[in-house]
Amino acid sequence: QKEVEQDPGPLSVPEGAIVSLNCTYSNSAFQYFMWYRQYSRKGPELLMYTYSSGNKEDGRFTAQVDKSSKYISLFIRDSQPSDSATYLCALAQKLVFGQGTRLTINP
Amino acid sequence: GAGVSQSPSNKVTEKGKDVELRCDPISGHTALYWYRQSLGQGLEFLIYFQGNSAPDKSGLPSDRFSAERTGGSVSTLTIQRTQQEDSAVYLCASTRDRANTEAFFGQGTRLTVV
Repeated sequence: QKEVEQDPGPLSVPEGAIVSLNCTYSNSAFQYFMWYRQYSRKGPELLMYTYSSGNKEDGRFTAQVDKSSKYISLFIRDSQPSDSATYLCALAQKLVFGQGTRLTINP
Repeated sequence: GAGVSQSPSNKVTEKGKDVELRCDPISGHTALYWYRQSLGQGLEFLIYFQGNSAPDKSGLPSDRFSAERTGGSVSTLTIQRTQQEDSAVYLCASTRDRANTEAFFGQGTRLTVV
């Protein structure tokens, strides 16, 4: 079993839609939960991180962690074409990444 | 430097040849990771260096792969006797400390084995 499972998509939605991206993990020892965004032919960049169960908001982005279910989510409100990228969940302390979900926002 | 630097950015090599990929992390970052990303795939962990501790090599796919980190700074990933399945983007990341809450990535080295 992989330590982190993420639906690779691809996911295509119209501009303005709410996007939900999800990961599940198997090891309850993970303490930090992150979302990275990767544009084509670029390295991933940190989008958000959290270390507790619950929600964390940053502008149009909300990260949600449910440690009891070992489930993490990223919500994007009012999605924009510039949000089109691959989104990867990551867990620390040893940085383990999900497969990444390729997201396209259609104008 | 301002960010993580990787070289070369692109490398085409013949099957069976050895290649060396270089990573120059952010100054002062104690942790360094190597990942491999195949087309349309996620990041496959290869190796992790933390300070002066023994590296975590658990992700290296075969004994053709090795890495070292000299002086706690620059790292080199070596692939011997390259195979076509080694073709991928090799990404290096560094973090400030053990907590690893924010990893900064280089642009990657795109390796093509022909």
